[in-house]
Amino acid sequence: SQTIHQWPATLVQPVGSPLSLECTVEGTSNPNLYWYRQAAGRGLQLLFYSVGIGQISSEVPQNLSASRPQDRQFILSSKKLLLSDSGFYLCAWSPSGLAGLNSYNEQFFGPGTRLTVL
Amino acid sequence: AQSVTQPDIHITVSEGASLELRCNYSYGATPYLFWYVQSPGQGLQLLLKYFSGDTLVQGIKGFEAEFKRSQSSFNLRKPSVHWSDAAEYFCAFDSGGGADGLTFGKGTHLIIQP
Repeated sequence: SQTIHQWPATLVQPVGSPLSLECTVEGTSNPNLYWYRQAAGRGLQLLFYSVGIGQISSEVPQNLSASRPQDRQFILSSKKLLLSDSGFYLCAWSPSGLAGLNSYNEQFFGPGTRLTVL
Repeated sequence: AQSVTQPDIHITVSEGASLELRCNYSYGATPYLFWYVQSPGQGLQLLLKYFSGDTLVQGIKGFEAEFKRSQSSFNLRKPSVHWSDAAEYFCAFDSGGGADGLTFGKGTHLIIQP
């Protein structure tokens, strides 16, 4: 069965410090991978998605970047955190488009990372 | 532009009572629709999904949802709620055919009172 891991679970960082959040998926190959941010009262905002190693699509311009160094690893980074980067970060995966003609984005979420920037 | 609206930010229901959470979408064709549940501090768990066919879909934990094209709605229902159902519920949709992410509503916070 497939599992998705995120770490750390919680993180408190000062403004201006760097960030690295990691997400890994087990039990599947070539998944589509996603980073979402959830701010209070604002639902989920898609930040990045990836359909393969080294392939990153950004949905909104911001202080963050993403990388996919391995097939089942997705990393969210920042060089200098802002107060507005605080939130709950969720990683998700979905089967790749090769799953069928009617591919759909049924997504499976990790446990999340609570980031507080002070 | 495609969007999802969950009109109710908070809903309070007595334990054992029935529940309906509303979801409306804006899209020119039939989307793929999902309901997710999130317990405090946790990730999202898929409750159910609609892609095509029967417009009444059954999910986990006794939930069901009905797709109504004429109303652009996909409301979530449960005949009798339990205290453990207290959580945040998100409706989401995908236009299909691509790997870009889901579009989520802002969520409905469900409170269960004894």
